[in-house]
Amino acid sequence: GQQLNQSPQSMFIQEGEDVSMNCTSSSIFNTWLWYKQDPGEGPVLLIALYKAGELTSNGRLTAQFGITRKDSFLNISASIPSDVGIYFCAATNAGGTSYGKLTFGQGTILTVHP
Amino acid sequence: DVKVTQSSRYLVKRTGEKVFLECVQDMDHENMFWYRQDPGLGLRLIYFSYDVKMKEKGDIPEGYSVSREKKERFSLILESASTNQTSMYLCASSLIGGMNPFFGSGTQLSVL
Repeated sequence: GQQLNQSPQSMFIQEGEDVSMNCTSSSIFNTWLWYKQDPGEGPVLLIALYKAGELTSNGRLTAQFGITRKDSFLNISASIPSDVGIYFCAATNAGGTSYGKLTFGQGTILTVHP
Repeated sequence: DVKVTQSSRYLVKRTGEKVFLECVQDMDHENMFWYRQDPGLGLRLIYFSYDVKMKEKGDIPEGYSVSREKKERFSLILESASTNQTSMYLCASSLIGGMNPFFGSGTQLSVL
């Protein structure tokens, strides 16, 4: 099955720095999602994007749904130690027989040094 | 508070054993999913179910089967466990048409 291409695979940053990660696909999707996974837990939704070109913020997080519907990015501003974790992009085509099945990126492992 | 509960956090099994991973959700969701998570590969869909007794193959169904006898419970079955099935298994559920599945905490399965 297809997967999304997520980069970078890992990031080591200092507290206070901004972070940027992105996800691309060879296919068009009508919904993009960004998840965070803390150690020992399942992924938790951070931001959902439903419209091409949409830019959405959630606190220090900002995500955009690419205009081509084949990509998305996530920015984290002024990182803090609790931002540590694995970030996943995911995408789907809502409606029809998708049943909410998600295609995931490979994940970005974020480490924040105090 | 919404909850997807996986019966075991850690499981160690031997090659050839039959393994059952159980998942229960308390949100009356129609859709339930089993994903497998491996480093560098992200999450990959094994099977999903959109109704009781209904199931559909995901991207990597080989070596697995599922059972959904009740709406709240979705079981993943490894008929004969193999070492390449050592992985983190994540269960999720969502409303019909829902685009935001809720995930359980995962079961780390080791097959020796």
